[in-house]
Amino acid sequence: GAVVSQHPSRVICKSGTSVKIECRSLDFQATTMFWYRQFPKKSLMLMATSNEGSKATYEQGVEKDKFLINHASLTLSTLTVTSAHPEDSSFYICSAPTLAGGLARAQRNTDTQYFGPGTRLTVL
Amino acid sequence: AQSVAQPEDQVNVAEGNPLTVKCTYSVSGNPYLFWYVQYPNRGLQFLLKYITGDNLVKGSYGFEAEFNKSQTSFHLKKPSALVSDSALYFCALRSNDYKLSFGAGTTVTVRA
Repeated sequence: GAVVSQHPSRVICKSGTSVKIECRSLDFQATTMFWYRQFPKKSLMLMATSNEGSKATYEQGVEKDKFLINHASLTLSTLTVTSAHPEDSSFYICSAPTLAGGLARAQRNTDTQYFGPGTRLTVL
Repeated sequence: AQSVAQPEDQVNVAEGNPLTVKCTYSVSGNPYLFWYVQYPNRGLQFLLKYITGDNLVKGSYGFEAEFNKSQTSFHLKKPSALVSDSALYFCALRSNDYKLSFGAGTTVTVRA
């Protein structure tokens, strides 16, 4: 089964509303998760690092008040796009690294980053 | 600063022929290199990684990659491509804080 899940897979919302995207590590603990944004046929752009128990760290140019990140537990990080606008429409992908100290199953690669299936956000 | 480059936007091969997707990197220190594949509207699937050890790394779905330090390359290869291998492939370089820097991606099309 999937190592990292995301919910929802697809969301359409009106301009001005807020949208929350969940990212879960299903069979290992992740003190760190990453959020990426991907435009059509383009590479992934790292938006921020989600840290369990502390504030997220954002990449240069990413508005922290617009993209709120909460790492609620060792298996859950959420990204909230606040006051969404059409230009926020994109494919958002989360990832989590399996670290040597995590509770990874034996068959998982340690020191490997696993990605969620992505969330397609469309803002009308 | 570290970076990774995929010099080819697109690779087209016939089914049954060898497939190579190129990747070069730039980093001070030891490189931690990864290959991922992405199918349409899906997340990235891990194929293989090089951390240390043998220069030839074997991964999922019959893929392998060769780490070449002198040429700073980590090309992905498959001896006999399948139509189902058609997808977008990303090479990535990991930093010490586990952030990944991605190449621009290479679209692979395998024709029947």
